[in-house]
Amino acid sequence: KQEVTQIPAALSVPEGENLVLNCSFTDSAIYNLQWFRQDPGKGLTSLLLIQSSQREQTSGRLNASLDKSSGRSTLYIAASQPGDSATYLCAVAGNTPLVFGKGTRLSVIA
Amino acid sequence: DAGITQSPRHKVTETGTPVTLRCHQTENHRYMYWYRQDPGHGLRLIHYSYGVKDTDKGEVSDGYSVSRSKTEDFLLTLESATSSQTSVYFCAAHRGERYGYTFGSGTRLTVV
Repeated sequence: KQEVTQIPAALSVPEGENLVLNCSFTDSAIYNLQWFRQDPGKGLTSLLLIQSSQREQTSGRLNASLDKSSGRSTLYIAASQPGDSATYLCAVAGNTPLVFGKGTRLSVIA
Repeated sequence: DAGITQSPRHKVTETGTPVTLRCHQTENHRYMYWYRQDPGHGLRLIHYSYGVKDTDKGEVSDGYSVSRSKTEDFLLTLESATSSQTSVYFCAAHRGERYGYTFGSGTRLTVV
């Protein structure tokens, strides 16, 4: 059974810092990994999709990496802003539908 | 995006009553999913569909049933709602294995 773990569960940083969110998964037989953002009381917004054959994907200030063999992914956020405050969810798709971690709640303090 | 619409957005219902939540997508995606999100548990899969009339159970399917009579619509039914089914329900869709999932805005269900 695929299990996804996200560390840390919560993170508070001052504005302007670069930060890294971590995701690990137990079964390396995945098709892809997806990072989502969720604002309080809202739905899920897809940030980045990394295929199993890729090492990283970039979108603006966001960079996600994937090491499938070790079962790890990181989401790097450069020059954080208060508007980045949200919960970030990592999810993997493989032989089963998308399995989620419990998320990292990020607070960026102005 | 798959243009996913969930209805209703909010619902309060009494224990023991049947409830149906609707998910509608506009992009003709083959695969559709129902998840629930609860504090401390994250998002968990309830049921999913890989085509019209083709459905399967997820991790937390007890007390729920689904139907998909058209590609664009995926219905989730709570036959007899219980307080433990108070949750936020999300519908998702995607085109296939190599594609990302797109989520609806969610339905907040309260069972009193």
